[in-house]
Amino acid sequence: EAGVTQFPSHSVIEKGQTVTLRCDPISGHDNLYWYRRVMGKEIKFLLHFVKESKQDESGMPNNRFLAERTGGTYSTLKVQPAELEDSGVYFCASSQDLSRGYEQYFGPGTRLTVT
Amino acid sequence: AQSVTQLGSHVSVSEGALVLLRCNYSSSVPPYLFWYVQYPNQGLQLLLKYTSAATLVKGINGFEAEFKKSETSFHLTKPSAHMSDAAEYFCAVTLPTRHYGGSQGNLIFGKGTKLSVKP
Repeated sequence: EAGVTQFPSHSVIEKGQTVTLRCDPISGHDNLYWYRRVMGKEIKFLLHFVKESKQDESGMPNNRFLAERTGGTYSTLKVQPAELEDSGVYFCASSQDLSRGYEQYFGPGTRLTVT
Repeated sequence: AQSVTQLGSHVSVSEGALVLLRCNYSSSVPPYLFWYVQYPNQGLQLLLKYTSAATLVKGINGFEAEFKKSETSFHLTKPSAHMSDAAEYFCAVTLPTRHYGGSQGNLIFGKGTKLSVKP
């Protein structure tokens, strides 16, 4: 069974540009999460999808960030326009059944560098 | 609100020595607790989890952790370190479903502890 995949693995963009990150969860996982780790800081929750619906987006930093999950499968996270403080590693995670102890499976992350 | 504190951003041990990584949490209700590991250039991998069953939890690669409610701790241990254990370790907390009112699951992480293993 394939794990959570993320694309691209690295992205370097200039301030003001747009970047779109993609996450493909494990097949059959209804729950999809986005997290971000800024250098030197802890991993922080951004938002949570259940199928195609946003269940919780309380961690989204501002309206420059837009997440979608069309059809309840893969998800995209768009940053427009990117700012220097958006640099960090963006992780995606998915889970099947929260009643089984909230185990989330993480992807390898996308390292975003804004110059 | 929940929070997690990992004492020590860097821990160094000799191969064969005991590994002890500390995690303390703060939560208004009994939480679920997790340890994740990130090896270089890889994603986060679940080591073990506590979900209100046995307080001593055994995970992969010989790691275990004990939930101590009185100390609000969930320290990670391994009796004998291997070179391959060198990685960054994260403690995380979340709340059981009944405390979320339908919205659940986001993990709150500590800042991570980098483990180095000396030959």
